[in-house]
Amino acid sequence: AQKITQTQPGMFVQEKEAVTLDCTYDTSDPSYGLFWYKQPSSGEMIFLIYQGSYDQQNATEGRYSLNFQKARKSANLVISASQLGDSAMYFCAMRETGTYKYIFGTGTRLKVLA
Amino acid sequence: DAGVTQSPTHLIKTRGQQVTLRCSPISGHKSVSWYQQVLGQGPQFIFQYYEKEERGRGNFPDRFSARQFPNYSSELNVNALLLGDSALYLCASSLGGNRGGNQPQHFGDGTRLSIL
Repeated sequence: AQKITQTQPGMFVQEKEAVTLDCTYDTSDPSYGLFWYKQPSSGEMIFLIYQGSYDQQNATEGRYSLNFQKARKSANLVISASQLGDSAMYFCAMRETGTYKYIFGTGTRLKVLA
Repeated sequence: DAGVTQSPTHLIKTRGQQVTLRCSPISGHKSVSWYQQVLGQGPQFIFQYYEKEERGRGNFPDRFSARQFPNYSSELNVNALLLGDSALYLCASSLGGNRGGNQPQHFGDGTRLSIL
């Protein structure tokens, strides 16, 4: 069965430093998509980055990059040059191509320190 | 362009009542999904609709139902409300279709439902 695991309930990072948020997944479907979302305290879910299972290169979007290691079934989010506004909950999610639902992890709460 | 809009923003109900939540997708998006997010947890999938047909259902009781209209907006209905139904209900839209796998879902701000 599909599963997303985020083992870091909370993380701290100093402003302007980089931070890695861990995500591992389990699926038997060879075709799937992996997503990261940010949820500030206000509650909205903001899409950050996407990685397809057949993509050869790691995805990047501005200060966000996804460290995709397919054999290890991991899709870690790297945030470079952290900013105070990056403080939020971060969710990893997976969608198997053959189904129509997203599975979310339990999230990691990131706090950026000034 | 407007994002995903949900109404109402907040709602307070009592046990046993019924509630209807509404969602308007991003223009051009044909797929709408509903999620329940209990405080401190990740969103849990409830339903996905595409072109007015149900394409997926999560592990929720039959008290939960939904539908999608010809303009692709959607309603989520919950009957016989329980205290445990208190949560943030999120609606998300995407283009959908057969190539929907790599398309991100875009979320609304949610409806915060409190059951007394």
